[in-house]
Amino acid sequence: ELQLVESGGGLVQPGGSLRLSCAASGFTFSSYWMSWARQAPGKGLEWVASIKQDGSEKYYVDSVKGRFTISRDNAKSSLYLQMNSLRAEDTAVYYCARGQSSVGSRLLDYWGQGTLVTVSS
Amino acid sequence: DIVMTQSPDSLTVSLGERATINCKSSQSVLYSSNNKNYLAWYQQKPGQPPKLLIYWASTRESGVPDRFSGSGSGTDFTLTISSLQAEDVAVYYCQQYYNFPPTFGPGTKVDIK
Repeated sequence: ELQLVESGGGLVQPGGSLRLSCAASGFTFSSYWMSWARQAPGKGLEWVASIKQDGSEKYYVDSVKGRFTISRDNAKSSLYLQMNSLRAEDTAVYYCARGQSSVGSRLLDYWGQGTLVTVSS
Repeated sequence: DIVMTQSPDSLTVSLGERATINCKSSQSVLYSSNNKNYLAWYQQKPGQPPKLLIYWASTRESGVPDRFSGSGSGTDFTLTISSLQAEDVAVYYCQQYYNFPPTFGPGTKVDIK
């Protein structure tokens, strides 16, 4: 069974850092683009970042460039999001998502349950 | 960035009736080299992550009931639920994957009358 399980969310002060993890199982992780997306409380969906199968290409939404870093460990079937200089507007549920095989990075065909990040003093 | 808009914001439909959601992109998402529209629809039920329903504007994801259909091309798209069921209560989002950043519409909430 395909599973994406996020962890690492929590309460952090503005300016702080947090590292999210996503453990994948049930598919060949190294064969897929992977992404992070987020959803602020009561709001819509926003794509955050994507990483190619071998980590050689990474893309970010403008609002997180220079603050967030996406990475992966194919040996551990894991995806990460290092979040620095966090702001109140980064408060959201963060989802790990798989890129659809025929399209790649920008179409997300399976999403994890999400982990909540709250940035507040 | 390509801006996605949806209408209506919310929709209340009787069980068994048709529900229609519209989505518009600020520029064409039709890729001329393969004649494919880079447009997807997602369903998000309360407390759950989004679920991919339709991609290439009209291709249903595996396991999605055939009462869900997508249509349109270029900048104007439609998601139709032909006979609304109780389990279809959700927020529906369109998304363009034509280029980076992939962008979502604001969502349409579908409820039962």
